[in-house]
Parts: sequence; structure tokens; C-alpha cells
Amino acid sequence: EAQVTQNPRYLITVTGKKLTVTCSQNMNHEYMSWYRQDPGLGLRQIYYSMNVEVTDKGDVPEGYKVSRKEKRNFPLILESPSPNQTSLYFCASRVTANNEQFFGPGTRLTVL
Amino acid sequence: EDKVVQSPLSLVVHEGDTVTLNCSYEVTNFRSLLWYKQEKKAPTFLFMLTSSGIEKKSGRLSSILDKKELFSILNITATQTGDSAIYLCAVEKPGSSNTGKLIFGQGTTLQVKP
Repeated sequence: EAQVTQNPRYLITVTGKKLTVTCSQNMNHEYMSWYRQDPGLGLRQIYYSMNVEVTDKGDVPEGYKVSRKEKRNFPLILESPSPNQTSLYFCASRVTANNEQFFGPGTRLTVL
Repeated sequence: EDKVVQSPLSLVVHEGDTVTLNCSYEVTNFRSLLWYKQEKKAPTFLFMLTSSGIEKKSGRLSSILDKKELFSILNITATQTGDSAIYLCAVEKPGSSNTGKLIFGQGTTLQVKP
């Protein structure tokens, strides 16, 4: 089944404790992206990647890192999480030339 | 600054009503406009619009883009309770790697009552 998977789905952590949210897609998509969704602000793009080893900042990249060492994986790294990074995070992927974007199930992160 | 604004922010209707959701944008180097539906999970793709005046249709949903006035509408006719969701509008523009960067609006929350 074609899908985007994220792990973990729920995470509660404390300020400053490094964490990684994994994202994997099995559709051989070139383009992958991370978003955060907050009430009243909609979805905001954090980082995106058009292919292996090619990443670019979205609108809200501060406090986040990403890597794209393999085509299928695009992990989101929070080196030192802070409470303002409490949010719902979505990973997404699509074929570059086709704008139908497939979203993962979401990761709800709480930073205390 | 690029922005995408949706209205209304929330809407309550009864089954059978027709609704129109609005999305206006101010984005440099517009490439396309997309509509998504989000229920209690991840957003799912509805439409992509690139040309003015050409209606895209899928069942009871339809959408059209006006690139002169910089807005799009999403119409839902004969609404059903299953249409209850958040509807998201996004505009794509080229990123620095010439790959689309999506800017989302705040979303419109639609509730359809029986």
C-alpha cells in the first residue's frame, strides 16, 4: 500500500532533550516536506527536499534540522526542543511534477 | 510577504445546503493553487488549479481560480455530514531549488448538521 509513515505518532518530552521524528515513504517520490499545524495558523512548511542531499528551508525552519540521505526517508530533528515547538507535525511527499501531495498520519508533539 | 487567507474561518450548515469557501492570495511567482480536505487525520488532496476560469469538478465539489483577482472558491453542493472537515487552501510558488514551496491558509472549518 502506498503510504507515508511517521513515528512516533505521539510524543511528550521536556525542554532541551533532543528528539527525531522519522518519516518514510514507499512511493519513490522525489519531493518530501515537513509541516507544523497550529490552531489559527494553518499548516506551515518547515523544510522540504527535492531529492537526496537537496534540502531547503520553508517558512518556519528555526529550531529544526532535516536530512535526506536516502530517497525514502526524511527525518525531522529537534536538537533542543522548546515549548513553542509543541504542535502537530505532518510529513508529506509527492512526485515533483505532480502536485498531489500525500501526507503522513501526523505526530503530535508536546514539549514541557 | 506572501500570504494566503481563507474565509470564513468556520461555517455551520445543514445537510442539503450549498456552501462556498473562499481563498485569496498574495504570492509572488504563483505556480498553482491547491485545495485539501482534512478530517480527523492528515489532509487529502482535492484539486489543483493553474489556469483562470477553468472549473475542476469532482462529484459535488467544484473549484475555480481567478488569477486576475487572486482568489479561488471551493463549492460543495447538497452537503452531507461526511463533508464536515477543515478545508485547506495552499498556493505553490517556486522555491530556491525550483521545486514548489506550499503556503497554506488558516483553513475553513465546515460543520454539516443532519
